[in-house]
Amino acid sequence: DAGVTQSPTHLIKTRGQQVTLRCSPKSGHDTVSWYQQALGQGPQFIFQYYEEEERQRGNFPDRFSGHQFPNYSSELNVNALLLGDSALYLCASSLGSASLSNYGYTFGSGTRLTVV
Amino acid sequence: AQKVTQAQTEISVVEKEDVTLDCVYETRDTTYYLFWYKQPPSGELVFLIRRNSFDEQNEISGRYSWNFQKSTSSFNFTITASQVVDSAVYFCALSLTSGTYKYIFGTGTRLKVLA
Repeated sequence: DAGVTQSPTHLIKTRGQQVTLRCSPKSGHDTVSWYQQALGQGPQFIFQYYEEEERQRGNFPDRFSGHQFPNYSSELNVNALLLGDSALYLCASSLGSASLSNYGYTFGSGTRLTVV
Repeated sequence: AQKVTQAQTEISVVEKEDVTLDCVYETRDTTYYLFWYKQPPSGELVFLIRRNSFDEQNEISGRYSWNFQKSTSSFNFTITASQVVDSAVYFCALSLTSGTYKYIFGTGTRLKVLA
């Protein structure tokens, strides 16, 4: 049973460029959340997608946007990259109809984005 | 506002020693959930334990044990007889039960177990 799959694993981009990160949730999960983890920090919530809509958003600028597809996979897009966007981007999947108390999240291994 | 504090940035122990990782949380909500996750060098966050605010019963699972005390807003995690494979970054996280679907993570504690 495949867990959460993220691609690519590593990425180097130039300041000002745009990037798209991809996530396939664990089998049976229908909800995808994205987190940004800067070096030496804990993950910070970006947003969550459920039923192809953004259900909740953290304190991130509009440069960060996302999408969820009918097969529950998701993309995270970041426009006008800044040096400060360099981080590990983690995708987490869960069952949207259940509370976190019952199922919690399953995390992927992340995409390491470096902005130069 | 909610907050999770892990004051220990890095801990080094010798294999077979016991080690406790501290976590202090802040929330005004009366119902919430607390979690511990382990992050090995590969990057993924591995779920270890979940506790709700009504369950203060402490538990032992193999070499792991947890101490949840609402009176001090602490949720500490202990590894008994540590092993080199326990080396990782450990995160404590808080989640509320209503109006939000996100976790609030602490800054993590890097545990190094030396052979």
